[in-house]
Amino acid sequence: EVQLVESGGGLVQPGGSLRLSCEASGFIFSTYWMSWVRQAPGKGLEWVANIKEDGSEKYYVDSVKGRFTISRDNAKNSLYLQLNSLRAEDTAVYYCARDHGGPSPWFDPWGQGTLVTVSS
Amino acid sequence: QSLLTQPPSASGTPGQRVTISCSGSSSNIGNNYVYWYQQFPGTAPKLLIYSNNLRPPGVPDRFSGSKSGTSASLAISGLRSEDEADYYCAAWDDSLSGPLFGGGTKLTVL
Repeated sequence: EVQLVESGGGLVQPGGSLRLSCEASGFIFSTYWMSWVRQAPGKGLEWVANIKEDGSEKYYVDSVKGRFTISRDNAKNSLYLQLNSLRAEDTAVYYCARDHGGPSPWFDPWGQGTLVTVSS
Repeated sequence: QSLLTQPPSASGTPGQRVTISCSGSSSNIGNNYVYWYQQFPGTAPKLLIYSNNLRPPGVPDRFSGSKSGTSASLAISGLRSEDEADYYCAAWDDSLSGPLFGGGTKLTVL
């Protein structure tokens, strides 16, 4: 069974940092792009970043460029998102999702999400 | 304000056919495939339709997608109470060079 399990969320002060992790199982992790998608409380979905199979290409939504860093460790079947200089508007549930790559929002499956709350 | 516009709500009675629209532009829907996601409260989204009108394994054929020009629609026939959820359309945007989601439509089964 394909499974994605996120962890690392929590309460952090504005300007602080957090590292999210996503552990994958049930598929050959190293052969898929991966994405992070977030959802602010009561709001819609927003793609945040994605990374190529070998980590050689990374892309970000403008609002997080320079603050967030996506990475992966194929040996550990794990995806990461380093969140720096956090703002209140970054408060959201962060989902990792298997990304079918190319110019398409083809995310399947998704993890259960991890909540990041930025507040003083 | 999302670049993909969906009605915030939709409703129908059991057995009815309902459609949810998604309006975009030439830089997204007009030039790329459309995807649909279903999300129940407190759970992760699930892929419902990909490449405009294809269903992943396990998705009932009551769900169908279509696209015309810069708009797309999700149709649900034989509506059931368990279809009550939020539905999101999505498409790649060539101008932004990234994926876009619609604002979501909350479907209520009366």
